[in-house]
Amino acid sequence: GQSLEQPSEVTAVEGAIVQINCTYQTSGFYGLSWYQQHDGGAPTFLSYNALDGLEETGRFSSFLSRSDSYGYLLLQELQMKDSASYFCAVRDGDSGTYKYIFGTGTRLKVLA
Amino acid sequence: DSGVTQTPKHLITATGQRVTLRCSPRSGDLSVYWYQQSLDQGLQFLIQYYNGEERAKGNILERFSAQQFPDLHSELNLSSLELGDSALYFCASSGLAGGEGNEQFFGPGTRLTVL
Repeated sequence: GQSLEQPSEVTAVEGAIVQINCTYQTSGFYGLSWYQQHDGGAPTFLSYNALDGLEETGRFSSFLSRSDSYGYLLLQELQMKDSASYFCAVRDGDSGTYKYIFGTGTRLKVLA
Repeated sequence: DSGVTQTPKHLITATGQRVTLRCSPRSGDLSVYWYQQSLDQGLQFLIQYYNGEERAKGNILERFSAQQFPDLHSELNLSSLELGDSALYFCASSGLAGGEGNEQFFGPGTRLTVL
């Protein structure tokens, strides 16, 4: 079946670097997305990887290895406001029949 | 502010009832997606519409239905409500039909409580 696995919780201190991993199992793969969600808020898009390699957007970077069915989100120079849940997501299936699958989310706690 | 609006913000109703959730996508976006988020289930994809037509379907119950109107707003209808339907329902929109990396913009959500 289709699934995405992420750690449930990660803790780090301000200024540090943290990596949130995501492994996936899908029947048709079109790329890996990452979303951030603060408590009580809506998910917001962070990044998308369709091809292998690293994509950098400011303090956040995302990596994909299609051969390993693995990706990660790297957050640098952590700030208190980065405390949130982070979800990886994929579109699973082919062009005729597909659906979106989100991981269970990783709660990041940034400590002062 | 993502530009996606959802009404109502909160909804409290009883088991067996029917409710309608409404979503207006960002200006110009043709795709609308519906998600259910509950504590024990995470973010679950329900259904996607593109320019008025159903485009993709997730684990949407038969008691639930949705549609997208000519003005591109969408409604999610939930009927014969059960306690387990209590959740946060998000609508998202995007400009593209498929999911090839297109960023989905999420609305603030409707919190449904079934008593």
